[in-house]
Amino acid sequence: GAGVSQSPSNKVTEKGKDVELRCDPISGHTALYWYRQSLGQGLEFLIYFQGNSAPDKSGLPSDRFSAERTGGSVSTLTIQRTQQEDSAVYLCASSVRRDPYGYTFGSGTRLTVV
Amino acid sequence: RKEVEQDPGPFNVPEGATVAFNCTYSNSASQSFFWYRQDCRKEPKLLMSVYSSGNEDGRFTAQLNRASQYISLLIRDSKLSDSATYLCVVNVGDDKIIFGKGTRLHILP
Repeated sequence: GAGVSQSPSNKVTEKGKDVELRCDPISGHTALYWYRQSLGQGLEFLIYFQGNSAPDKSGLPSDRFSAERTGGSVSTLTIQRTQQEDSAVYLCASSVRRDPYGYTFGSGTRLTVV
Repeated sequence: RKEVEQDPGPFNVPEGATVAFNCTYSNSASQSFFWYRQDCRKEPKLLMSVYSSGNEDGRFTAQLNRASQYISLLIRDSKLSDSATYLCVVNVGDDKIIFGKGTRLHILP
């Protein structure tokens, strides 16, 4: 597609439920990243994919968080047993290589855990 | 010292004025530097790269000071539409990218 597409754009979920967030990167972009941004805060790195592998998943905050990427394209971020502190905007970005010159961000998924 | 540090602001600047803000980084081996812009409730977008020789794009000038380990962004003749949060982004090496928390800029009419 023309840009990075994320779905859903908004998600309200009850504490303890699992959620899946989807990212569809720009065609041909082999690098894909997940970040989250809490209200008024900076971007917090979660995980980086090169193709289908994740050489850097150092930012995942707990084992409730996992992500996968299939076919070198779509990625899914899963949060199990959501907690209120998981509420944030989850941003996906893609690029040709791992360099922020080429980052294109999606418009994000706003997750609210109630 | 944080890896990438920015003054959070807000900087409240009258329209037409010049404003500048800095971003410091702690790793002297950092390889590349960028400024991103983020509008309220929107995703970040690349504003400009920062080269060793400095670079200019219209009203915007970015500079790198390796000796003192900071980058700067200067905005001349500021417009209302410049109001946003400006994020400093540093490639600190080993494929590690760090985003600063951003500097909020409000241009006042």
